[in-house]
Amino acid sequence: GEDVEQSLFLSVREGDSSVINCTYTDSSSTYLYWYKQEPGAGLQLLTYIFSNMDMKQDQRLTVLLNKKDKHLSLRIADTQTGDSAIYFCAESMDSSYKLIFGSGTRLLVRP
Amino acid sequence: NAGVTQTPKFQVLKTGQSMTLQCAQDMNHNSMYWYRQDPGMGLRLIYYSASEGTTDKGEVPNGYNVSRLNKREFSLRLESAAPSQTSVYFCASSDTGGLADNTGELFFGEGSRLTVL
Repeated sequence: GEDVEQSLFLSVREGDSSVINCTYTDSSSTYLYWYKQEPGAGLQLLTYIFSNMDMKQDQRLTVLLNKKDKHLSLRIADTQTGDSAIYFCAESMDSSYKLIFGSGTRLLVRP
Repeated sequence: NAGVTQTPKFQVLKTGQSMTLQCAQDMNHNSMYWYRQDPGMGLRLIYYSASEGTTDKGEVPNGYNVSRLNKREFSLRLESAAPSQTSVYFCASSDTGGLADNTGELFFGEGSRLTVL
């Protein structure tokens, strides 16, 4: 069945780059997503990438997609303390809009 | 716009009690979802409703029922709560009207924290 895997924890210094990795299984996913969850809140869409793209850049965020290895990464440049949150990778199931989420990576940014 | 509103935000139940989590969205979205979030397990889909009048099981439907009351509202019911249902529950909605630029983004409520003793 579908499974999305992420490492559980990442700690970086303020100003460094953060890279959060994800592997997914459904090669028919149309979109792959990164959601951010701040403490006590719901998830918010951070960015997404269409499956026929290799890279997408959006200000400090860079998403890389390796379809051959089914690997997705999110790079945050110049990480700030406000970036501390849980980041979830998600893929759409069977080209539908139902999403399968990874377990989330907790990013801690140290001053 | 309120977006997606869930009630209650917190609830404590005893084993065997029943309760309903309410969810409403004001974005005229076709699809609505209920997820549960547990530590180290991410979000798991309980039930979803692709459109008004339809509901389908997700990954973990056992112990739950849902009702898509109208386009705005999607409720989740626990008929006989168990400690394993202690979790944070999130309702979400998305616009799946088939527009070419529709990314299927999910809009989430703030969550309902349920504890079953």
